[in-house]
Amino acid sequence: NAGVTQTPKFQVLKTGQSMTLQCAQDMNHEYMSWYRQDPGMGLRLIHYSVGAGITDQGEVPNGYNVSRSTTEDFPLRLLSAAPSQTSVYFCASSRTGQGSYEQYFGPGTRLTVT
Amino acid sequence: AQSVTQPDIHITVSEGASLELRCNYSYGATPYLFWYVQSPGQGLQLLLKYFSGDTLVQGIKGFEAEFKRSQSSFNLRKPSVHWSDAAEYFCVARYNNNDMRFGAGTRLTVKP
Repeated sequence: NAGVTQTPKFQVLKTGQSMTLQCAQDMNHEYMSWYRQDPGMGLRLIHYSVGAGITDQGEVPNGYNVSRSTTEDFPLRLLSAAPSQTSVYFCASSRTGQGSYEQYFGPGTRLTVT
Repeated sequence: AQSVTQPDIHITVSEGASLELRCNYSYGATPYLFWYVQSPGQGLQLLLKYFSGDTLVQGIKGFEAEFKRSQSSFNLRKPSVHWSDAAEYFCVARYNNNDMRFGAGTRLTVKP
């Protein structure tokens, strides 16, 4: 059981370049989300999805796009990378509905924008 | 906006000593509450969670947390810390089922 997988693990971009961070889960979870982790700030929610075709913004959505065409995949797109987007990115998934459903996190992607 | 506060950025305890990490969530409908641990360079692992019912919840690795509605708190405790507990700990609140808010984290150092 792979759980939540993320690719790549490391990435260096130049300012203005675009890229997609990949996230996949094999647990048939409805809810998927993207976070960024910066020192002293914990994890901040970028975008989330409660099912295929449904996405919404989190706390820090600017500069990022998402789509959810399948239950399994939830890619995060940076259209024009900026140094302020240097961070560690985590994808997570969970069930939805009533209940204290925990999130399962991927191993993270460390992104550097120069 | 909803928020989670972890007042202690860094805590140092001696191995074998007791530990308490503080967490306060912003007032409103009681969210689902979680504690996660992140070891250096690693992902996040769930320690425990609270949804309703008994206000003292038990988790993995000997951790427990107590929910206090009157104080909007969900403090994490462990009676005897082990060197392997050195990590960063995050308190998390899940509001309205989808809005997840993380505290800034508390870094735990364990002295031999």
